[in-house]
Amino acid sequence: EVQLVESGGGLVQPGGSLSLSCAASGFTFGSHWMSWVRQAPGKGLEWVANIKRDGSEKYYVDSVKGRFTISRDNAKNSLFLQMNSLRAEDTAVYYCARGQYDSGSYGFGNWGQGTLVIVSP
Amino acid sequence: DIQMTQSPSSLSASVGDRVTITCRASQSININLNWYQQKPGKAPRVLIYAASNLESGVPSRFSGTGSGTDFTLTISSLQPEDFATYYCQQSYGGFTFGPGTKVDIK
Repeated sequence: EVQLVESGGGLVQPGGSLSLSCAASGFTFGSHWMSWVRQAPGKGLEWVANIKRDGSEKYYVDSVKGRFTISRDNAKNSLFLQMNSLRAEDTAVYYCARGQYDSGSYGFGNWGQGTLVIVSP
Repeated sequence: DIQMTQSPSSLSASVGDRVTITCRASQSININLNWYQQKPGKAPRVLIYAASNLESGVPSRFSGTGSGTDFTLTISSLQPEDFATYYCQQSYGGFTFGPGTKVDIK
């Protein structure tokens, strides 16, 4: 069974930093692109970043470029998101998601339970 | 950037009803369109890949059609467990989700 377990969320002041982790199990972690997707309270879903299987390519939504860094450790089946210069608008539940390419379309086949990040004074 | 819209933003329906949700892309995305279901307090779950391919384990009452810019998700006979919010997501250029359609009980 695929499992993704996020951790590291919490309350942080504007301008502060936070590091999220995602522990993966039940599949060959190093064979999949991985992503972070967030959801602000009461709002929709927003893709944040993704990382290639070997970590050689990383992509970000414009609003977090230069502030967030995605990384992975395939030996430890773990995904990370380093978030710096946090803003109130970064407040959201952050989901770790496994990338899946199916029938010609790339989607998010498995999701963790999410970890809540609150940016507030 | 590719923008996604959904209609309606919400709908009320009864068990057994046929429900159709529309998703539109701001430019052609071929069939690079997926659908998700999300229940309150839970993570999303993928239902359909590539506009019309049902994910394993998803009930056959769910179906998807479309290509280019216009897509639909249909639930042929709404069941109590289907009351949720549904999102479309494109993967043609980056990744963008639609704003969601909330399906609640009439």
